[in-house]
Amino acid sequence: RKEVEQDPGPFNVPEGATVAFNCTYSNSASQSFFWYRQDCRKEPKLLMSVYSSGNEDGRFTAQLNRASQYISLLIRDSKLSDSATYLCVVDGGGGFKTIFGAGTRLFVKA
Amino acid sequence: GAVVSQHPSWVICKSGTSVKIECRSLDFQATTMFWYRQFPKQSLMLMATSNEGSKATYEQGVEKDKFLINHASLTLSTLTVTSAHPEDSSFYICSARRAQSYEQYFGPGTRLTVT
Repeated sequence: RKEVEQDPGPFNVPEGATVAFNCTYSNSASQSFFWYRQDCRKEPKLLMSVYSSGNEDGRFTAQLNRASQYISLLIRDSKLSDSATYLCVVDGGGGFKTIFGAGTRLFVKA
Repeated sequence: GAVVSQHPSWVICKSGTSVKIECRSLDFQATTMFWYRQFPKQSLMLMATSNEGSKATYEQGVEKDKFLINHASLTLSTLTVTSAHPEDSSFYICSARRAQSYEQYFGPGTRLTVT
């Protein structure tokens, strides 16, 4: 089993749609969780951290479920500019190792 | 802020030559820097982790004698691809992390083409 797993997609959604991504992790000792966004031929950029209580930033909501060991990202009112690959990132449970998922591709169409 | 720069942004070199890529944290001290490689339409692959002042830790399958990493200061790490071959052509990305933090900030990447 991979340490961090994501559905590779692609997710093809129309503008204005709500889309959700899930990510599962295998190490129950992991404490820090993030979502990154990577545009084609660009570097990943931190989108948001994921806290135990969940957090929201505009149209983006991140949730953490420790019992089931997954995190989610919800995007509401999708924009064309949301088209990108979304990377789930989890710490390795100590030693400051960071593990990236392979990413989920999102295409938002007009 | 947390800005990371990389230089050069792209480079074309001949087979057999060596290429050095610099990664700098511009507005924070990076105790740990990471080097990744990404082939087209594939995910990021971690090559090595470097902590300031110590030897880099390489991932399985990455040749340490081919990919030389130096993290001489809290703001600079370098990756040297020695005796480059066409199969080394890829997008090389560095990232930097502050002490006691898991958040990584990425440089803009270096596109290497070996002819």
